[in-house]
Amino acid sequence: QQPVQSPQAVILREGEDAVINCSSSKALYSVHWYRQKHGEAPVFLMILLKGGEQKGHEKISASFNEKKQQSSLYLTASQLSYSGTYFCGFSGSRLTFGEGTQLTVNP
Amino acid sequence: KAGVTQTPRYLIKTRGQQVTLSCSPISGHRSVSWYQQTPGQGLQFLFEYFSETQRNKGNFPGRFSGRQFSNSRSEMNVSTLELGDSALYLCASSSTQGSTEAFFGQGTRLTVV
Repeated sequence: QQPVQSPQAVILREGEDAVINCSSSKALYSVHWYRQKHGEAPVFLMILLKGGEQKGHEKISASFNEKKQQSSLYLTASQLSYSGTYFCGFSGSRLTFGEGTQLTVNP
Repeated sequence: KAGVTQTPRYLIKTRGQQVTLSCSPISGHRSVSWYQQTPGQGLQFLFEYFSETQRNKGNFPGRFSGRQFSNSRSEMNVSTLELGDSALYLCASSSTQGSTEAFFGQGTRLTVV
């Protein structure tokens, strides 16, 4: 079953913060986050293996709540380069992705 | 270290034809997964191969099939193409199954006319 992401789209001004949420109805082993820019392949951002553990990548961090089967991606002080579609992926026996959140950062 | 290579990058086929897409994973990676990407549908899981064995399969009709060779290269085949099969097909390689980072290829853009 596909993870559910929200919001579907968000528009920011440079320097603003954003949160992207991801939830699953199935028990999870790990959560992956990827970013895909237009016309390019998805690129790995981070993986969270332990419940509640936060991991960071530059000004992007994430949390994973195993009990609630939810993950959130936090983008702080967004930059123009953050624009793209963000996918969460939940790993059980396979890596299944949500529908994506389209993030646009404007000057 | 070379990345994931998918060939061809673009394909135009006619309804009813069949097509074979190829994916060469990163050297040393034994797991290859295939995804279909269409606007608004995100990344739909097709199947995963590990050490030449199909380990998981998504909810796609039997017209979609794949295989993996001993060198970990993988092929995906779609028979009796339909207009709805038009999509970007992405392959991802990882060193093991499950909870490890996946590296995506640039994809093959398939257009069915």
